[in-house]
Amino acid sequence: DSGVTQTPKHLITATGQRVTLRCSPRSGDLSVYWYQQSLDQGLQFLIHYYNGEERAKGNILERFSAQQFPDLHSELNLSSLELGDSALYFCASSVAGRVTGELFFGEGSRLTVL
Amino acid sequence: AQKVTQAQTEISVVEKEDVTLDCVYETRDTTYYLFWYKQPPSGELVFLIRRNSFDEQNEISGRYSWNFQKSTSSFNFTITASQVVDSAVYFCALSAPNSGNTPLVFGKGTRLSVIA
Repeated sequence: DSGVTQTPKHLITATGQRVTLRCSPRSGDLSVYWYQQSLDQGLQFLIHYYNGEERAKGNILERFSAQQFPDLHSELNLSSLELGDSALYFCASSVAGRVTGELFFGEGSRLTVL
Repeated sequence: AQKVTQAQTEISVVEKEDVTLDCVYETRDTTYYLFWYKQPPSGELVFLIRRNSFDEQNEISGRYSWNFQKSTSSFNFTITASQVVDSAVYFCALSAPNSGNTPLVFGKGTRLSVIA
């Protein structure tokens, strides 16, 4: 158990819909990272928050947005969903604002868009 | 920019064989960190090892060993006497915290199948 909690674990929805994925980092961790894992693209970095502020942005679509709340949990919002958004979405956390040590990954949220 | 290449997409071995997973990385930074993660069929990402750029000493942990060579920009992973439970996708990853936009860059992974 990494200590990172992601909900929901599985989600099935239709094209055009909007979903919210939630991540609770390990106790004491200030950084939250979101990654998308699809079959053809591997693990793609989406966005990084540190202590409530956006630190880095990767290949995140404009239809996607995220935030980190004062209690340090984070949410990833995916809107106007397309079939290609079907993927496993991982959240990871760490203490520091830069990756010098292990990132602790949650079990992922598997999104299926039909 | 940072890049990680895992040229082996899939490897299949018979139980008890040794297997080496290759990882080649690219970065211009002198300070960087290399990682290996395991993703078993259940889907979670399991941390295996971290190595910083100033420590080229190889490491052994049970049946696992890692060979870090800066001269060839490689960080290879060997499993000795493989077991069926080693079947998973293995990812090599790179962090160059002083530059670049991506905190941790992953290779595309190598799927290892160990056959009984």
